[in-house]
Amino acid sequence: QVTLKESGTGILQPSQALSLTCSFSGFSLSTTGICVSWIRQPSGKGLEWLADICWDDGKGYNPSLKNRLSISKDTSNNQAFLKITSVDTADTATYYCARLNIGTTDFDYWGQGVMVTVSS
Amino acid sequence: DIQMTQTPSSMPASLGERVTISCRASQGISNYLNWYQQKPDGTIKPLIYYTSNLQSGVPSRFSGSGSGTDYSLTISSLEPEDFAMYYCQQYDSSPNTFGAGTKLELK
Repeated sequence: QVTLKESGTGILQPSQALSLTCSFSGFSLSTTGICVSWIRQPSGKGLEWLADICWDDGKGYNPSLKNRLSISKDTSNNQAFLKITSVDTADTATYYCARLNIGTTDFDYWGQGVMVTVSS
Repeated sequence: DIQMTQTPSSMPASLGERVTISCRASQGISNYLNWYQQKPDGTIKPLIYYTSNLQSGVPSRFSGSGSGTDYSLTISSLEPEDFAMYYCQQYDSSPNTFGAGTKLELK
C-alpha cells in the first residue's frame, strides 16, 4: 500500500526559509521510473507543480520559482525534501507531495497535504 | 508554459446525469493529459492518465477522450460521491500545468 505524508513548518514570517518533508511507504525512490513531486495549492485556487526528484537523482523545477527551490531525497529512509527560500505571503498554500510515475506520466498517489502560512 | 483552460468552471448537475468537462491546451500536448478529483477535505485522487486510461480502482462511469489541444472527462451517471472539483493536467511540456478546475455541484 502506497502512502505519502507531508510535514513541515506551519507558520513562517516573510523572508524565512520553508522546509518540507515527504515521508512515504509502499515504494522506493530507487525504483526506475519513480519520482516524488511537490505541488501546492493556495486556498480556493488551483494546483501548481513546484519540483520533482527521481530515482536517478534527476531533478526538475518550475522556472517561476526555480531560484528559490531546492529538492533532495533520502532514499534509505523513504523521504523527500523541499526547501523554499525567501518566502512571502504568496507562498501561503497547502503543499502536497505526490508520487510521479514516469510510466503513466501522472501523479498516481498523493499525500493529504500540509498547510503553510506566511504572515508577519 | 502551456496554458490549460477548463470549462465550465462550475457545473450544477443531478444524480444520474451524464456530464462532460472540457480542457483545452494552448498548444498540442500529444495526449499527455491527466485528470484528478479533489474532495472538499483536500484529498486528491488520480482518475485518468494519458487521455483515456483509468487509474486502478476508478469506476467505469468515468471516461476520457480527446486529442491535439482538446480533451474531455465524462461521467456517465453521477453518483453522490462524484460531486467534487476536477482538474486536468498536461505532462507534455515542462513545467507541467493544471487547469483552474471545474466544481461539480449538486443541482
